[in-house]
Amino acid sequence: KAGVTQTPRYLIKTRGQQVTLSCSPISGHRSVSWYQQTPGQGLQFLFEYFSETQRNKGNFPGRFSGRQFSNSRSEMNVSTLELGDSALYLCASAEIGHEQYFGPGTRLTVT
Amino acid sequence: TQLLEQSPQFLSIQEGENLTVYCNSSSVFSSLQWYRQEPGEGPVLLVTVVTGGEVKKLKRLTFQFGDARKDSSLHITAAQPGDTGLYLCAGERDGQNFVFGPGTRLSVLP
Repeated sequence: KAGVTQTPRYLIKTRGQQVTLSCSPISGHRSVSWYQQTPGQGLQFLFEYFSETQRNKGNFPGRFSGRQFSNSRSEMNVSTLELGDSALYLCASAEIGHEQYFGPGTRLTVT
Repeated sequence: TQLLEQSPQFLSIQEGENLTVYCNSSSVFSSLQWYRQEPGEGPVLLVTVVTGGEVKKLKRLTFQFGDARKDSSLHITAAQPGDTGLYLCAGERDGQNFVFGPGTRLSVLP
């Protein structure tokens, strides 16, 4: 099976802009989770989607949002970008109750 | 404060040495996972432990889950340069999301 894919791999945006990141899970996986990874805070949970519904949400401001489509692909959106949003954004897919598998991430740089 | 603590934060050793890294919490987890992450890539799952006291071996890597399911250790025998990376533990609480530790950055020098 193909692994989790994330696009784009690298992105540079300026403060105030918005960005949309995409994640395609492993075939058959219906759960998709998003994480933010920074050197200072480590890996932090953003949200999890299952069957197009948000199941869990981390402690991030409302500028961070996501959605999942009927084919389990997921997108996350960050509006009004801030310098502190620069990070590696990771997507992980799983079958419910099983291990999660991570994609390579999208490296977002906000200038 | 971190829900999961990992120690040491950094570790630099010579090829062939043994090492142990630790993952500790005051919370009980239904399962605990160990990942290795290389620069610019996503974490790769190494193992999942679910039973208190469980020991799993993956070639030169030995993972142990504490009896109370609050802590875990990863022991590497005869480390090789290919073991270099960030080792992350992640705990799963029933019905909730995974919580990650800050990681141990391992460097194995040839």
